[in-house]
Amino acid sequence: GENVEQHPSTLSVQEGDSAVIKCTYSDSASNYFPWYKQELGKRPQLIIDIRSNVGEKKDQRIAVTLNKTAKHFSLHITETQPEDSAVYFCAAGSSGGGADGLTFGKGTHLIIQP
Amino acid sequence: DGGITQSPKYLFRKEGQNVTLSCEQNLNHDAMYWYRQDPGQGLRLIYYSQIVNDFQKGDIAEGYSVSREKKESFPLTVTSAQKNPTAFYLCASRYRQTGSLVGEAFFGQGTRLTVV
Repeated sequence: GENVEQHPSTLSVQEGDSAVIKCTYSDSASNYFPWYKQELGKRPQLIIDIRSNVGEKKDQRIAVTLNKTAKHFSLHITETQPEDSAVYFCAAGSSGGGADGLTFGKGTHLIIQP
Repeated sequence: DGGITQSPKYLFRKEGQNVTLSCEQNLNHDAMYWYRQDPGQGLRLIYYSQIVNDFQKGDIAEGYSVSREKKESFPLTVTSAQKNPTAFYLCASRYRQTGSLVGEAFFGQGTRLTVV
C-alpha cells in the first residue's frame, strides 16, 4: 500500500517568514495530494490540493508543488501569520476506481513566533 | 458545517465494554471512512466503505467493527478486543462519481474516546 513520509514534525518560524513542509509518497498510482490543517481539538480541513496532472497550484499565501518523478510534494506558506499555527497533514490517494481512502503523513506542528 | 456529524464528542468506556461511535452525513457521499488519530501518529485508516452494504478493512482494523446499512450512516464499534482504544476518532466522507473517487475528504468533528 501507500506510504507517506512528512517532514519536519515540528516547524517554528518567525511571523512574516515563509514555511515549507515536505512529503514523499511511495505508490506511483497515487494521483491526488491534499493538504489539511487541523487546529487543536478540531477537525482537519482542506486548505489546498493538487492532482498529478499539474506541477504547482497557488491560493493566496499557500502553494503546493508536486514532483511526480521524485514522488514528493511540498506545502509553501508565505508571509506567515499567527493564525497559521496548527498541525498540517499531507496525504496521498487515488481518484481512480478502487481507491481505499487517503494515506496521511504524521503531521507537522507549525508554530508561528510573534 | 461540512454536513458530516459525529456523536458523541466525548465518550468514556470501561474495560471490557463495547462502544459505538456514530457518523452521519447528508452530503450524498458514497464513500465513508474511519480514522484513528494518536499524538505523533497522524491519521490511520480503520475501515472504509465505498457503497452501502459493503466495507473493507484499513490498516488497523483489529478490535473494530463497522456497518453500512444506509448511505448516510457509518457507525464504528470499538470492541473489547481493542487493547488500546483511547484515541481521537475521525469519520470522513468523499464524493464518488461514475466509479471514481473525486474531491476532498470532509471530516466530522471527531469523538474522543477514553478508557476508564
